[in-house]
Amino acid sequence: GQQLNQSPQSMFIQEGEDVSMNCTSSSIFNTWLWYKQDPGEGPVLLIALYKAGELTSNGRLTAQFGITRKDSFLNISASIPSDVGIYFCAGGSNNAGNMLTFGGGTRLMVKP
Amino acid sequence: SQTIHQWPATLVQPVGSPLSLECTVEGTSNPNLYWYRQAAGRGLQLLFYSVGIGQISSEVPQNLSASRPQDRQFILSSKKLLLSDSGFYLCAWSEGLGTDTQYFGPGTRLTVL
Repeated sequence: GQQLNQSPQSMFIQEGEDVSMNCTSSSIFNTWLWYKQDPGEGPVLLIALYKAGELTSNGRLTAQFGITRKDSFLNISASIPSDVGIYFCAGGSNNAGNMLTFGGGTRLMVKP
Repeated sequence: SQTIHQWPATLVQPVGSPLSLECTVEGTSNPNLYWYRQAAGRGLQLLFYSVGIGQISSEVPQNLSASRPQDRQFILSSKKLLLSDSGFYLCAWSEGLGTDTQYFGPGTRLTVL
């Protein structure tokens, strides 16, 4: 089946630093999604990418849909304490039921 | 706008007791609905999905079942809970056709003792 390798698994950074995380796969996806999950809550959609090569920003967040359709990255600029959480990537392939394949998550910790 | 609700928010149940978790969606029609389980500090495991009333697909063999009695209602059930059923249960929805984008509910924390 399809798998997504998300890295790094965790990051501990200083407030103000930039963050970069990525997801790679051996399979092609038609959609790449990035979610953030705060402790005890459901994941919240940050950015949705629908086209190979697409680069999209949402405030301090920027994500790109890899040109090969097998990877995506998420950058966070000038991190702040509220960026703490788990970030998940997800790939969609327009299958029956619109099921997504999720990465294992990147746990981000920010030191004030 | 669309909203998704889950009930209850937290639940503590003894081993062997039944389970019923509810998920409802507002502001959309004929959505695809999903149940996920998340173990502590882990990723998301898809348990069930539904593309319409009465249509349930199971992704993993397990002690749980799902039902969709109404268009925007999705229920996760068990007749007898196991310790291994503990976890964080998330419901999600997506549009019936086209986009894969899923939107998650707030989750239910289930502890089986």
